[in-house]
Amino acid sequence: QQPVQSPQAVILREGEDAVINCSSSKALYSVHWYRQKHGEAPVFLMILLKGGEQMRHEKISASFNEKKQQSSLYLTASQLSYSGTYFCGTGGLNDYKLSFGAGTTVTVRA
Amino acid sequence: DTGVSQDPRHKITKRGQNVTFRCDPISEHNRLYWYRQTLGQGPEFLTYFQNEAQLEKSRLLSNRFSAERPKGSFSTLEIQRTEQGDSAMYLCASSLGLVGPYNEQFFGPGTRLTVL
Repeated sequence: QQPVQSPQAVILREGEDAVINCSSSKALYSVHWYRQKHGEAPVFLMILLKGGEQMRHEKISASFNEKKQQSSLYLTASQLSYSGTYFCGTGGLNDYKLSFGAGTTVTVRA
Repeated sequence: DTGVSQDPRHKITKRGQNVTFRCDPISEHNRLYWYRQTLGQGPEFLTYFQNEAQLEKSRLLSNRFSAERPKGSFSTLEIQRTEQGDSAMYLCASSLGLVGPYNEQFFGPGTRLTVL
């Protein structure tokens, strides 16, 4: 079942922070975060595993909340290059395919 | 090796025609995935291979779709008797194939299919 992402879109000024949430009704074992720019392939950012530590990619970090079956992506001190659509993909314990959310479009303005 | 490659990048076809797409994964990756993405949506899983074995296929996938990975390297995705609803971006991804959930999937640039 597809995870639910919120918000659908966010507009930021350079330097501002934002949080993107990814929730699942199924038990989560891994959450994969990707960023996709218009007309390009999704680019891998990071994986979070159940019971694992918070991960970081440059000034983007993410956490995994087992109780809420949710992962959050934190964009800190946003840069223009952070603009794009962020997708979370969830995986099962022995399930290598990913179920992706509908995405969160982030626009960072100067 | 610079990443996952897909060919062609764009394909325009008429309804009812057959089309075939190719994906070349990163050379040491033994898992290969096909996804489909429509405008405003995330990638939707179609099928995946472990080496040459097709291990899973989406239940929602029409039997007009078939995929192969004959030697465990490149893969092809064929759509027979295309319909306008098949218009989408077809993405291929590959991963190392480690046991467990820690498997980064690297995506190719995609093949954009337009069915007229």
